[in-house]
Amino acid sequence: DGGITQSPKYLFRKEGQNVTLSCEQNLNHDAMYWYRQDPGQGLRLIYYSQIVNDFQKGDIAEGYSVSREKKESFPLTVTSAQKNPTAFYLCASSTRLAGGLTDTQYFGPGTRLTVL
Amino acid sequence: AQKVTQAQTEISVVEKEDVTLDCVYETRDTTYYLFWYKQPPSGELVFLIRRNSFDEQNEISGRYSWNFQKSTSSFNFTITASQVVDSAVYFCALSEAGSNYQLIWGAGTKLIIKP
Repeated sequence: DGGITQSPKYLFRKEGQNVTLSCEQNLNHDAMYWYRQDPGQGLRLIYYSQIVNDFQKGDIAEGYSVSREKKESFPLTVTSAQKNPTAFYLCASSTRLAGGLTDTQYFGPGTRLTVL
Repeated sequence: AQKVTQAQTEISVVEKEDVTLDCVYETRDTTYYLFWYKQPPSGELVFLIRRNSFDEQNEISGRYSWNFQKSTSSFNFTITASQVVDSAVYFCALSEAGSNYQLIWGAGTKLIIKP
């Protein structure tokens, strides 16, 4: 089955620790995205990548880092510099379009991060 | 200024009623895409529909229908004979050339279907 997997489903972190969220897709999509969602709120873009070895900051990149070494994988690291990291994190992927447009994004099940 | 407006924060209806979720967008591009997603309580976003700017035909999929009107910059979503399983947050989103490969999201509408 083609899809996007995120792990872990729940993650607990102590203050001051870095933590990495996994996102893997087998849809053969070039583009991948990370979003943050706070309770009762909408989606905010953290980072996105249109192609391997290239990525761009979204609206709230501070305190986060990413890598895109493989087409299938786009891990997100929440660093200790992120002041309020407790949130729901969603990863998505899509085919790559030209001209600034975005194709349908397909989402993983998400990771709920709680800072203790 | 909001580019995608979902003015209804929360809607509550009784099961079997019809309900329409509004989405108004703003763009200067002639080529753009509009999307609807469903987010049930589990949290995962489920893709419902994509419509491109050159196709104003309304779409029907079972109990779901979408009304795309460029004249009013709206892309409304109607659920006919609503069911409890339709309870979710629904997001409308826009992709335009000026958005640099990003989706512009509406704030979402929380739909509550009471049995």
